[in-house]
Amino acid sequence: NAGVTQTPKFRVLKTGQSMTLLCAQDMNHEYMYWYRQDPGMGLRLIHYSVGEGTTAKGEVPDGYNVSRLKKQNFLLGLESAAPSQTSVYFCASTLTRGTEAFFGQGTRLTVV
Amino acid sequence: GIQVEQSPPDLILQEGANSTLRCNFSDSVNNLQWFHQNPWGQLINLFYIPSGTKQNGRLSATTVATERYSLLYISSSQTTDSGVYFCAVEVSGSRLTFGEGTQLTVNP
Repeated sequence: NAGVTQTPKFRVLKTGQSMTLLCAQDMNHEYMYWYRQDPGMGLRLIHYSVGEGTTAKGEVPDGYNVSRLKKQNFLLGLESAAPSQTSVYFCASTLTRGTEAFFGQGTRLTVV
Repeated sequence: GIQVEQSPPDLILQEGANSTLRCNFSDSVNNLQWFHQNPWGQLINLFYIPSGTKQNGRLSATTVATERYSLLYISSSQTTDSGVYFCAVEVSGSRLTFGEGTQLTVNP
């Protein structure tokens, strides 16, 4: 039981490049989330999903897209990376609303 | 949206000391969790505690939902307790909102 796994752990991108971050969970959770964490700050929600095939915007969605084609996977895409997207990205999942959240180990992304 | 305030923002302790971290929130919540982010950046679940009191070893937490606050107690602190402690709450819309954290440093 791996819990929540993020791929990759580290990435460096050039401005304008695109990439996809993968989040996989093996707990059969319905809800999945993508957060970003900037230095000295808490986590801010980018997008989330309440079930397979559904997504919704969070607090800071601009510049990102997501997809939830399979229940166990939640993908975060950057179509044209900008230096402002340099951050640590965390994925999380919960069984349903109001239940305990479990986080992945994070992806450190640098855009130069 | 809901406001989550944590205090103190920074705390420096000597090993063996006790401490209390506080989380205030501005609305009724149906979920509250405490996390420890270690120096390697990992977020570790400490407590899922929308109400009541829980204990796990040297750590305990109390949430008084009607008064909109939660407390995290660390007793006999150790250097491995260092890191950032986050409180996160959920009101509605299926998402956690995080406070800005308390940076704890425990010196030997």
